[in-house]
Amino acid sequence: KAGVTQTPRYLIKTRGQQVTLSCSPISGHRSVSWYQQTPGQGLQFLFEYFSETQRNKGNFPGRFSGRQFSNSRSEMNVSTLELGDSALYLCATRSAEGQGYHEQYFGPGTRLTVT
Amino acid sequence: AQSVAQPEDQVNVAEGNPLTVKCTYSVSGNPYLFWYVQYPNRGLQFLLKYITGDNLVKGSYGFEAEFNKSQTSFHLKKPSALVSDSALYFCAVLPTGGATNKLIFGTGTLLAVQP
Repeated sequence: KAGVTQTPRYLIKTRGQQVTLSCSPISGHRSVSWYQQTPGQGLQFLFEYFSETQRNKGNFPGRFSGRQFSNSRSEMNVSTLELGDSALYLCATRSAEGQGYHEQYFGPGTRLTVT
Repeated sequence: AQSVAQPEDQVNVAEGNPLTVKCTYSVSGNPYLFWYVQYPNRGLQFLLKYITGDNLVKGSYGFEAEFNKSQTSFHLKKPSALVSDSALYFCAVLPTGGATNKLIFGTGTLLAVQP
């Protein structure tokens, strides 16, 4: 099986712009979660989508949003970028049933730099 | 507040020696526990998990972890370290017995294995 893929891998944006990141899950995985990783705050949960519905949300401002498509692919969007949004954004997917239910598989991440 | 603590920012060990990376948590109920490893410029790789049952769980690459409910700890161990084990290790907790997918991560421990 192919792993979790994230595009693009690297991105440089300017303050005030918006950005869209994409995540394609492992085949058969219907749950997609997003995490932000920074040196100061570590790994923080952004949100989770399952069957095109947001199931959980972390403590991030409304500038951070996401969606999931019928093929389980997910996108996250950050509007009005701030310097503090510079981070590695990780997508994690998991199966909805069976032994792998609680086991998340992470993509390689998208490194976003805001200047 | 729910939290995960990894008290050591860095652990240094000589190749061939046993290693331990510590993790304690403060989460109510019976959380699920995980260890992930991150190599430079890569996403997180799943190592092992504790859901229920035997307190010693075995995972990938010869790693194992010991769950101690009374001490709320989940330390990662390996009998004989390899240089290739050098990486960043994260302990993570899934509260409420896995009802949500909102992983809470520790701050990470950098493992450095010297040849």
